[in-house]
Amino acid sequence: DAGVIQSPRHEVTEMGQEVTLRCKPISGHDYLFWYRQTMMRGLELLIYFNNNVPIDDSGMPEDRFSAKMPNASFSTLKIQPSEPRDSAVYFCASRGPKNIQYFGAGTRLSVL
Amino acid sequence: AQSVAQPEDQVNVAEGNPLTVKCTYSVSGNPYLFWYVQYPNRGLQFLLKYITGDNLVKGSYGFEAEFNKSQTSFHLKKPSALVSDSALYFCAVRDMAQGGKLIFGQGTELSVKP
Repeated sequence: DAGVIQSPRHEVTEMGQEVTLRCKPISGHDYLFWYRQTMMRGLELLIYFNNNVPIDDSGMPEDRFSAKMPNASFSTLKIQPSEPRDSAVYFCASRGPKNIQYFGAGTRLSVL
Repeated sequence: AQSVAQPEDQVNVAEGNPLTVKCTYSVSGNPYLFWYVQYPNRGLQFLLKYITGDNLVKGSYGFEAEFNKSQTSFHLKKPSALVSDSALYFCAVRDMAQGGKLIFGQGTELSVKP
C-alpha cells in the first residue's frame, strides 16, 4: 500500500485566496483525521471522520475552515479565505482495525 | 479528561549511550498508549503501542517502552542511541470517550551526537 497520500506537498498562496488540501487514506481504513502542526501550538487535531461522517470538528479554528469526505478514498480540507496565521503543516492520517494512525507526509502551507 | 505530558522539550544523548524519553499520562480506565517519531519534513511514524499484556513493549528501530501503572508513565527507551535516532518524539493516549482519537503530548526533540 502506498500509505496516506496528501497533495500538494507545498502550497504558497496570498492572503484571501482559497486553499484546498487533499488526502487519500489507506484503503480499508474507516477513520480519517486532519491535524495542523505549528511551532507555537504543536500538533492540533482539527477534525476527524468515521466511515466518511464527521464525528468531531471542535478543533476547527474558525468558519473559514471546512472539511469533507465525499467517499472512503478522498477527503479535503478547505480554507476560505486564507490568512497568514493559517501558515502551518497540515497532516492527514487514517486509522484501521489495529488502532494505529498512519500519517501522510503533510502539506506545508504558506499564506503571504 | 485524558492527557499526556512530556516533561522534556529536548533530550541530548551521546551515540552509543542509552536513551530515555519520558511520558506521563492521565486517563480514566485502562490506557491505550502510543509512541510516534517525526523526522524532519516528514509525517509522524508509528513506533509502538501498549494496550494490554507485558509492561515492556518492543517496537520499531530497536525502541521499547515500559508501561508503569503506579507511576502512570510510559517512557520510551533504547539501549544504544544512533545519530539517526535524532528526531521529534510524540507520546499519545487514545481518548476512549471521544471516538478513539489520539491525544498527543507536545513532543520531545531527541538529539544524538556522535
